[in-house]
Amino acid sequence: GENVEQHPSTLSVQEGDSAVIKCTYSDSASNYFPWYKQELGKGPQLIIDIRSNVGEKKDQRIAVTLNKTAKHFSLHITETQPEDSAVYFCAAQYNFNKFYFGSGTKLNVKP
Amino acid sequence: DAMVIQNPRYQVTQFGKPVTLSCSQTLNHNVMYWYQQKSSQAPKLLFHYYDKDFNNEADTPDNFQSRRPNTSFCFLDIRSPGLGDAAMYLCATSRDSRRETQYFGPGTRLLVL
Repeated sequence: GENVEQHPSTLSVQEGDSAVIKCTYSDSASNYFPWYKQELGKGPQLIIDIRSNVGEKKDQRIAVTLNKTAKHFSLHITETQPEDSAVYFCAAQYNFNKFYFGSGTKLNVKP
Repeated sequence: DAMVIQNPRYQVTQFGKPVTLSCSQTLNHNVMYWYQQKSSQAPKLLFHYYDKDFNNEADTPDNFQSRRPNTSFCFLDIRSPGLGDAAMYLCATSRDSRRETQYFGPGTRLLVL
């Protein structure tokens, strides 16, 4: 079945630095890859997504890249701010209606 | 404006006492999902509805049931909660299935005493 691996599990950066989180997936049929930000005690919120016909997508300080050949995709956050501190989950859609989630990355941005 | 609403936000129940969690959506989405999320873990899909069609995950315990009386509402029933069922329960919706964004509610934190 599908498996999504996410690294690192924790990431600590200084405010203003960049943060990169990487995910790999196994199902070559997956073609939609969202990223979610989850703050403590809240539900995951979509921050950016990418579909398989696109290699890169950017939204202000956040970007996602997708390499379908290598089956990996990455989240890039530039100019990090303390409010970026949260847990980030990647996901890959499979089997029509379902998503596999990565294990999460706890990002800590130090002021 | 809230799009996926979950009530209550916090629920305390006793071991073995049935409990129902509710989810409503204002998006008119076809698909509704229930996830269980334990501390520091990824959300785990329990089941989902595509319109009225119910789809259970193979490893979802029989103790968990769901109802979707109409497009807007979906319920999660836990018939006999055990201590291991304490978790955050997340409801999500998507307009359709293929390559569609999921929108999550704020979750219900369930505590089993």
